[in-house]
Parts: sequence; structure tokens; C-alpha cells
Amino acid sequence: RKEVEQDPGPFNVPEGATVAFNCTYSNSASQSFFWYRQDCRKEPKLLMSVYSSGNEDGRFTAQLNRASQYISLLIRDSKLSDSATYLCVVTRSGANNLFFGTGTRLTVIP
Amino acid sequence: ETGVTQSPTHLIKTRGQQVTLRCSSQSGHNTVSWYQQALGQGPQFIFQYYREEENGRGNFPPRFSGLQFPNYSSELNVNALELDDSALYLCASSRGTGAGNTIYFGEGSWLTVV
Repeated sequence: RKEVEQDPGPFNVPEGATVAFNCTYSNSASQSFFWYRQDCRKEPKLLMSVYSSGNEDGRFTAQLNRASQYISLLIRDSKLSDSATYLCVVTRSGANNLFFGTGTRLTVIP
Repeated sequence: ETGVTQSPTHLIKTRGQQVTLRCSSQSGHNTVSWYQQALGQGPQFIFQYYREEENGRGNFPPRFSGLQFPNYSSELNVNALELDDSALYLCASSRGTGAGNTIYFGEGSWLTVV
């Protein structure tokens, strides 16, 4: 079973829409959680960390449910510039690396 | 700009050949990790280098090897290239080995094996 599972999409939404991405992780020893953004043919860049209490950064809200091993990202008032692939990422105890999901592709349409 | 530079940016190799990819870490960062990202997939951890030693390895065969130099720069070597090695190879540097440290990715090296 994959460490991190995401719906690959694509999600095509109109400008101004609200869109939510979900991801699940398989290892209960997972420690830290992140969302990365990757533009076409570019490197991944950290979008935000995800905390159990939930956290918000402008139009972006991330939530973590440790009991269900589930992470979400909500984007409100979508902009054309939000078009990208969103990667769900976890770390776990005893491992030095990041575990990435396959990514969810978002296209915001004018 | 993350301060992590990789070279070459693009290259094409023939099956069976060998390739060396290079990475210069961000100033002050002593740890370098390498990831492989195939088309349509998320990055997969290859290995990490710290103080010139391998410090963790993902599920990649021995023909994937690496080096880290005293200035913390690093190389990824792949021998006996296979078609499935075609991917974006990402280098990431960090100040420390733990996965909780913030890592910074370079722009990657695109490898095509034909």
C-alpha cells in the first residue's frame, strides 16, 4: 500500500470557485504533514504545513485528522494562478525523507 | 530562488549508458537528498547524504549511487540506464538530516533515456 494516496484529478474549476483536495496516509507513525505546490515542469515548493488544529494562510486552509489519517486542503476564491499540481507530503519517525503522494492537478478556468 | 543549483538541466542518454547529475546545496546546508519524479508521479526518495556518507536510502537498486563532497555538493550516478529511468531528478538541501528540517529543492535535471 502506498504511504500517501491522493486523487490525481484533474480538477477543472471556474475562477472564484472553492475546491478541496484530500489525501490519506497509511502509516500511523507519520509525524509531519505538508502540502507542496508544483507548477508544470518545475520543482515542488512548500505551500503550507498542516497541523492538527488546522491552519489557514489567506485563501488556503489545511486540516489534519490523525484518527482517520486524512489531510485536506481547501482553496477559496480560486485564481488562474492557482493552476498547478498539489502534492500531499508526510514524514514519519525513523525516516529522513519526505513521502509524496502522486499529486492532484488543478486547472482554474477563466 | 532556493539557492540549490542542479546541472545539467536536460539530457538525453541511450539505454545502457551511465549518467552523472550534479547538485550544489544552499549555503550552510550540510545535507543533500535526491528524489526521482517520473511523469505523473510524486517524487520518490532515492537517498540522502550527510557529512559525505549515505544516510538513508529508498527502494532503488545499487546502480543508483551518489557522492557528497566536503563543500556539501553532491552527485547522483546512474549506471546501466534503463528506459524507466527517464524522469525528473530533484536535489534537495537542508540544514540537518531530519525530515522535519525545511528542505529546498533545485529546479531538477530532466533525464530522457532512449
